[in-house]
Amino acid sequence: KNEVEQSPQNLTAQEGEFITINCSYSVGISALHWLQQHPGGGIVSLFMLSSGKKKHGRLIATINIQEKHSSLHITASHPRDSAVYICAVSNNDMRFGAGTRLTVKP
Amino acid sequence: NAGVMQNPRHLVRRRGQEARLRCSPMKGHSHVYWYRQLPEEGLKFMVYLQKENIIDESGMPKERFSAEFPKEGPSILRIQQVVRGDSAAYFCASSPDGPTGELFFGEGSRLTVL
Repeated sequence: KNEVEQSPQNLTAQEGEFITINCSYSVGISALHWLQQHPGGGIVSLFMLSSGKKKHGRLIATINIQEKHSSLHITASHPRDSAVYICAVSNNDMRFGAGTRLTVKP
Repeated sequence: NAGVMQNPRHLVRRRGQEARLRCSPMKGHSHVYWYRQLPEEGLKFMVYLQKENIIDESGMPKERFSAEFPKEGPSILRIQQVVRGDSAAYFCASSPDGPTGELFFGEGSRLTVL
């Protein structure tokens, strides 16, 4: 069993839909990161969380430390949100989830 | 404030040659991480360095791979005697605060071994 599990693996949505991607982990962590990787391969850090909830524009990330679970939400999804979303947990090293491939159709 | 700079962006090497990948962190960042992404696979941690020190190299292959982050200049990931299986995208990220800090990624260096 992977130490960082993401679900779903693939997600197709219609423009405007509310999207949730889940991440569960089984190790102690210093922080949890949500990353976005676009088709061209570049990686952008969306959120770094150690507790609670953060919001940037249409993106919201939450973490429950006791349950070792985090969620990434996208409100009013748009085709430009199509990308791979990756959950990662960090100590001195970093463990990555396998990623969720999101496709938003117009 | 320039972002994390990686070069070269693309590197082609023949089997047995050496590959050197460079990463200049964001200004003021003393924490550097290297990750590898094999074709069609996920990201894997390689090494975490903080100026002149290797903090965690648990993801580095035991042979042929080394990393440094000298007092002056960029961090270097060095792969000796490359093999076809080393073909991958190598990403660098920097942070101002280490494991509890936000990460800033470079564009990656794509190594192709012929």
